[in-house]
Amino acid sequence: GENVEQHPSTLSVQEGDSAVIKCTYSDSASNYFPWYKQELGKRPQLIIDIRSNVGEKKDQRIAVTLNKTAKHFSLHITETQPEDSAVYFCAASNKRATNKLIFGTGTLLAVQP
Amino acid sequence: DAGVIQSPRHEVTEMGQEVTLRCKPISGHDYLFWYRQTMMRGLELLIYFNNNVPIDDSGMPEDRFSAKMPNASFSTLKIQPSEPRDSAVYFCASMWGDITDTQYFGPGTRLTVL
Repeated sequence: GENVEQHPSTLSVQEGDSAVIKCTYSDSASNYFPWYKQELGKRPQLIIDIRSNVGEKKDQRIAVTLNKTAKHFSLHITETQPEDSAVYFCAASNKRATNKLIFGTGTLLAVQP
Repeated sequence: DAGVIQSPRHEVTEMGQEVTLRCKPISGHDYLFWYRQTMMRGLELLIYFNNNVPIDDSGMPEDRFSAKMPNASFSTLKIQPSEPRDSAVYFCASMWGDITDTQYFGPGTRLTVL
C-alpha cells in the first residue's frame, strides 16, 4: 500500500524567511497530493493541493511542487508570518481507485517573530 | 452551513465502557470519513462511506470498533469495550465527491479512556 514520508518533523524559521517541507510517496499510481494545515487544538484544513498532471501550483505565499519521477512533492511558504505557525500534513491518494488519503507524519512549523 | 458537526467534543470514560461518537456531515456531501489522530500514529483513516455505504474499513483497528451511517445526515463510530489505547482525537470529515477533492474536517472529539 501507499506510504508517505514527511520531513522535517519540526522546522523553526524567522518571520519573513521561507519554509520548505518535503514528502515522498511510494505508490507510483498516486495522482492527488493535498496539504493540510492544523493549528494547535484545531481541525486540519486544506491549504493547497496538486494533481499529477501539474508540476507546480501557487496560491499567494504558498506553492507546491511535484516531481513524479522521484515521487516527491514539496510545500513552499514564502515571507512567513507568525500565523503560519502550525502543523502541516502532506497526503497522497490514487483518486482513480480510492478516496482514501494517506497522510504524512506532519511538520511542526514555528515562525519566530 | 455550520460545517461538519461532531459530538461530544470531549469524552472521558472508564476502560470497558461503550463509547459512541457522532458526526453530522455538511449537507449535500456524499462522502464521510472517520479519522483517528494520536502523537504516535499521526492521522489515520479508519473508515469511509460513499452515499451511506461503507467503502473502505481497512483502517478499523479491531472488532471493538464499528461505524454506521444510517442516513446522509448522520454517522456514528462506536467503541465497545473501550481501552486506554483508544485515547485519541477522532475526526469526522465530509466531501462532495462529484465537485471537489477537499475533505472538510469537523472539530474532533477528544476521547480519554481511563
